Amino acid sequence: KNEVEQSPQNLTAQEGEFITINCSYSVGISALHWLQQHPGGGIVSLFMLSSGKKKHGRLIATINIQEKHSSLHITASHPRDSAVYICAAFSGGGADGLTFGKGTHLIIQP
Amino acid sequence: DAGITQSPRHKVTETGTPVTLRCHQTENHRYMYWYRQDPGHGLRLIHYSYGVKDTDKGEVSDGYSVSRSKTEDFLLTLESATSSQTSVYFCATRERERGETQYFGPGTRLLVL
Repeated sequence: KNEVEQSPQNLTAQEGEFITINCSYSVGISALHWLQQHPGGGIVSLFMLSSGKKKHGRLIATINIQEKHSSLHITASHPRDSAVYICAAFSGGGADGLTFGKGTHLIIQP
Repeated sequence: DAGITQSPRHKVTETGTPVTLRCHQTENHRYMYWYRQDPGHGLRLIHYSYGVKDTDKGEVSDGYSVSRSKTEDFLLTLESATSSQTSVYFCATRERERGETQYFGPGTRLLVL
């Protein structure tokens, strides 16, 4: 069973700061997902990656397969980035679901 | 947005009563999932489906059953609700087999008194 660990659990930063959230997993995976959950509760998929790096606007996700580690970066953070960020591992094939980290609660203060 | 709706969105029930949550999707995705989200645990898989009438158990399936009689609908039933099943329940879908994006429904908040 894959164990997915995230750090930090909570992060408060000032607007404009560069944010890094880390995710590590214990077993080799097929894909790593980054999700965003806003205070209203809805969950949105940000990235799915199996190697290298992906960028979408101010968000960048990287993964190091050998080290079993992924990071989510937010550049020029803004209060609207305040949310819970969740990483999730897809390690099986077929119908398998995701194994989730417990999430990082990010607050960006103006 | 994969056109996923969940009903009801909120429910309060009493211990021992059966409860059914419905997930409906309009994208014809093959795979459907039920997760529960609890503080300190993150999201955990309850049951999943890989086709009509094809379902299997996840990590925390005790006390839950599911059914999928049509591609678009995936029902989660709490056979006899307990307070430990107070949670937020999320449905999710996936189109293909190899780890592609999962799309999440808006969630159902269930309180078992």
